[in-house]
Parts: sequence; C-alpha cells; structure tokens
Amino acid sequence: GESVGLHLPTLSVQEGDNSIINCAYSNSASDYFIWYKQESGKGPQFIIDIRSNMDKRQGQRVTVLLNKTVKHLSLQIAATQPGDSAVYFCAEMKTSYDKVIFGPGTSLSVIP
Amino acid sequence: DAGVIQSPRHEVTEMGQEVTLRCKPISGHNSLFWYRQTMMRGLELLIYFNNNVPIDDSGMPEDRFSAKMPNASFSTLKIQPSEPRDSAVYFCASSSGTGVPGELFFGEGSRLTVL
Repeated sequence: GESVGLHLPTLSVQEGDNSIINCAYSNSASDYFIWYKQESGKGPQFIIDIRSNMDKRQGQRVTVLLNKTVKHLSLQIAATQPGDSAVYFCAEMKTSYDKVIFGPGTSLSVIP
Repeated sequence: DAGVIQSPRHEVTEMGQEVTLRCKPISGHNSLFWYRQTMMRGLELLIYFNNNVPIDDSGMPEDRFSAKMPNASFSTLKIQPSEPRDSAVYFCASSSGTGVPGELFFGEGSRLTVL
C-alpha cells in the first residue's frame, strides 16, 4: 500500500545552523510531494511542494530535494531559528488535487 | 480572511455516546478533508469530498464513523457509538481546485477524549 516514512523521529539543532529533515516514500507513482509544518496545538501548515519532474525547489530559507531513484525527499532549512521548532511532515499525492497522504513526522527542536 | 473553522475545539464524552464534529471550509474551496491524528498512527486521512461529493472514504475506520457535506460551507464527522480508541485530534482541511496542488488549509482541530 501507499506509505511515506521518515528516518529520524527527532532532530535537535543549534540556532543558526542548517537543518535537514529526511523522508522516504514508497509509492513511485506519486506525482507531488509536499512538506508541512505543525506547531504545537495547531493544524499542519503548508511549507513547500515539489513535482516529480523536478529534483530541487527553493523557497524562503527552505529547499526541498527529491531523489526519485532512491525514493527520498528532504527538507533543508537554512539558518534555523527558534520559530522553526515544530513537527515536520512530508506528504505525497498521486495526481494534482488528489488525496494527500502524510508520513509519520519528525520533531525539530532548535536550541537557542 | 477566515480560515477553516472547526467545532468543538475540545470534547470529552463517555463511551457509547454520539459525537458530532463540525467544519466550515474556506469560502470558495471545493475540496474538504477529514484527518485523525494520534501519536501511534500519525495523521490519517479518513475521508475527502470534492464539490460536496465523497470521493474516497477508504480511511473511515468502521461503520461507527460517518461524514456528510450537505453544502459547500459545512461538513460533519459523526461517531456513533464512540469508543475510547477514538480519542484523537480530528482535523478538517480544505483546498482550492485552482491553487497549489497539495496545499491544504487546516483548521485548529477538535480534540476528542472518550472515557
């Protein structure tokens, strides 16, 4: 069946350092991959997406890398700030505007 | 602009009682999703609607769960009868069919505790 998984359940980084959150997915038919951030007590919030025909996409302080050969997705956060402390989920969609399936999440803790 | 609105934010009930969770999606959005979040199982998709029509309910745990979307501005998720294992945070999310694919807008969730 479809599944999206994460290698690291928790990650601690020093403020100002770069963070890398990894994700492995199993459905090679997925066309869209998305990263979400969930702060305590809130619903997940969209960060950035990437389509399967791309291998890199950059946003503000974030970069998503996609390696379809090994079915691996990563989120890089530059100059990590205390406000980046949250749980990060990768998610996938088979086609545009289809259902979104979430992975188990990684907790990022930023040390001031 | 108002985001996705869910009610109640918290509910504590006893096993066997009926629970109804409510959701108002963002105006103009044509897709609505119900997710359940627990520590053990993470974020699970229960059901999603497109233009008020249920498209995929394969994630609904069992017959005790039902969801409706009578119009574009309202949806309910009902559990009858409730059981302790239903305790979780239930999220509603909506999306636009013309926006970024995969960009769901989530409500703040309804935390359900079944005793």
